Order: sequence, then C-alpha cells, then structure tokens
Amino acid sequence: DAGVIQSPRHEVTEMGQEVTLRCKPISGHNSLFWYRQTMMRGLELLIYFNNNVPIDDSGMPEDRFSAKMPNASFSTLKIQPSEPRDSAVYFCASSGTRAGELFFGEGSRLTVL
Amino acid sequence: KNQVEQSPQSLIILEGKNCTLQCNYTVSPFSNLRWYKQDTGRGPVSLTIMTFSENTKSNGRYTATLDADTKQSSLHITASQLSDSASYICVVSVENAGNMLTFGGGTRLMVKP
Repeated sequence: DAGVIQSPRHEVTEMGQEVTLRCKPISGHNSLFWYRQTMMRGLELLIYFNNNVPIDDSGMPEDRFSAKMPNASFSTLKIQPSEPRDSAVYFCASSGTRAGELFFGEGSRLTVL
Repeated sequence: KNQVEQSPQSLIILEGKNCTLQCNYTVSPFSNLRWYKQDTGRGPVSLTIMTFSENTKSNGRYTATLDADTKQSSLHITASQLSDSASYICVVSVENAGNMLTFGGGTRLMVKP
C-alpha cells in the first residue's frame, strides 16, 4: 500500500491567494483527518470525516478554511484567502477500524508570504 | 478538560545511552494510549499502543509502560541510535467517542554521536 498521499509537498504563495491541499487516504480506511502543525502549537485537529461525512470541524480556524471529501479516496483542504499566519505543515491522516491508530501522510508545508 | 502533558520538552543524549520520556494525561474515559515517532519533515508513525489492562509493551528498543491508576505512561529507549533523533508524541484516545484523540506537545529527542 502506498500509504496516505498528500500534495503538494511544498507550497509558497502570497497573502490573499487561494491554496488547495489534497489528500488520498489509504484504501479501505473510513476516517480521514486534517491536522495543522506548528512549532508553537504542535499538532492541531482541523476537521475529520467519517465515511466521507464531516463529523467535527470545530478546529477549523475560521471561514477562510474549508474541507471537502467528495468520495472515499479524495479530500481537499482549501484556504481562501490565505494569510501569513496560516504558514504551517498540514497533515492528512486516515484511520481504519483500529481505534486511535492514525496513518499520516508526509505533510504539505505551506508558506504564505 | 482532556489534556496530555509530556516531559521533557526536549532532550539531548549521547549515542548508546538510554532515556525515558514521560506522558501524563487527564483524559477520561480512557480507551488507549499511543506513542508516535515523528522524524523531521515526515508524518508521525505509531510505535506502540497501550490499552487499560496493559502495563508494558516492547517494540524493539522501545518499551512503553502504562500506569492507569496514576494516568502516566513512559517510553523508554534502550541503547539509543542516531536514527532515534525525532519528536515523540503521546496520543490518548477517549472511549466511546469515535475518533476523539488528545495529543501531547511532544518531546524532541536529539541523539549525538
């Protein structure tokens, strides 16, 4: 299995631009998570989906952030408009039936200038 | 409030030495506890899972312990290697709460030759 696949690995953009991060979970996993990691705050849950349905989006910072999961094999996290404080590494993770074990992607490092 | 506290925040040891990382939690009701290893620039990877009834579990040179009464866990690394340099994150799962996870802030370990 290729594991969780994220793209792009690195993104540099200017303030105000739209950013779209993509994730392909492990086949057969029914839960998908988006996390943000910074030095100051560690790993923070933004949103998670169960069977393609958003369950908890309380971690989404504000209306500039949105996430979709149109099918079991694809999810996007969109930031519009982006701001410098959004600079972080964004991780996608998926989980099967074994409670608590997350399989993380390699992350998307976002820099907003 | 569910919380996971890890100590120390960072640690430097010499190659070949042992070390112990600590995790204290106030998560309730407790389901399980996982230790993840995160190499620089990579996503976290699960090392071990501890359930309520387990006191100790080993994975190669890594040994995790759990004291459910005091709500403490430790991760002991034996005969450290340079490749052990990473962040180690303690994650506690809430029982019957779907995928509710509480992350510790991590311990950054550096092994020097």
